[in-house]
Amino acid sequence: SYELTQPPSVSVSPGQTASITCSGDNLGDKNACWYQQKPGQSLVLVIYQDRKRPSGIPERFSGSNSGNRATLTISGTQAMDEADYYCQAWDSSTAGWVFGGGTKLTVL
Amino acid sequence: EVQLVESGGGLVQPGGSLRLSCAASGFTFRSYSMNWVRQAPGKGLEWVSYISSSSSTIYYADSVKGRFTISRDNAKNSLYLQMNSLRDEDTAVYYCARELPGNAGFQHWGQGTLVTVSS
Repeated sequence: SYELTQPPSVSVSPGQTASITCSGDNLGDKNACWYQQKPGQSLVLVIYQDRKRPSGIPERFSGSNSGNRATLTISGTQAMDEADYYCQAWDSSTAGWVFGGGTKLTVL
Repeated sequence: EVQLVESGGGLVQPGGSLRLSCAASGFTFRSYSMNWVRQAPGKGLEWVSYISSSSSTIYYADSVKGRFTISRDNAKNSLYLQMNSLRDEDTAVYYCARELPGNAGFQHWGQGTLVTVSS
């Protein structure tokens, strides 16, 4: 089965750039997306189709996807960005959606 | 405003059944594919099932195949998940989610409903 691997945690200082990676075989051939989840809340789509931002998502959120790795980048990270982040991709070989294990972003 | 409201969760014994519902509003429900995703307490996300806009295509995760059934009623703007032969490991918050076209991701999520499987 297809797997997506994320680091369990990432730390960043306020105002700095945070990068969260998502690794999977030939992930660059798929559409990667990213979700934000704050404690006790539902999920918010922050990046889709590798690099597109839904309406209402701040410009400091950006994405890229190439080779075996997709990356979510948060520029000028703010305290409000502290959350869990999940990557996701569609695996056509198994006809199913796959999520990464999630990355806890700490802003300190 | 797009709204997805799940209901039907609760406490059920192992081997029991439960039917979840997701009421959709604020968009043309019949035009969108829908999914169920679950999250065990303190854990990550697990995709459960997909249904196309017309119900012509349905997929399941291996972990629920043969036990869960996804369906929808476009006239009632509702999505369902019939869960049978429930196991302890099915305990989770279950979310319904609306898909973007072209396998681009899930644009909208409900707040979730908690299913607890325990004796």
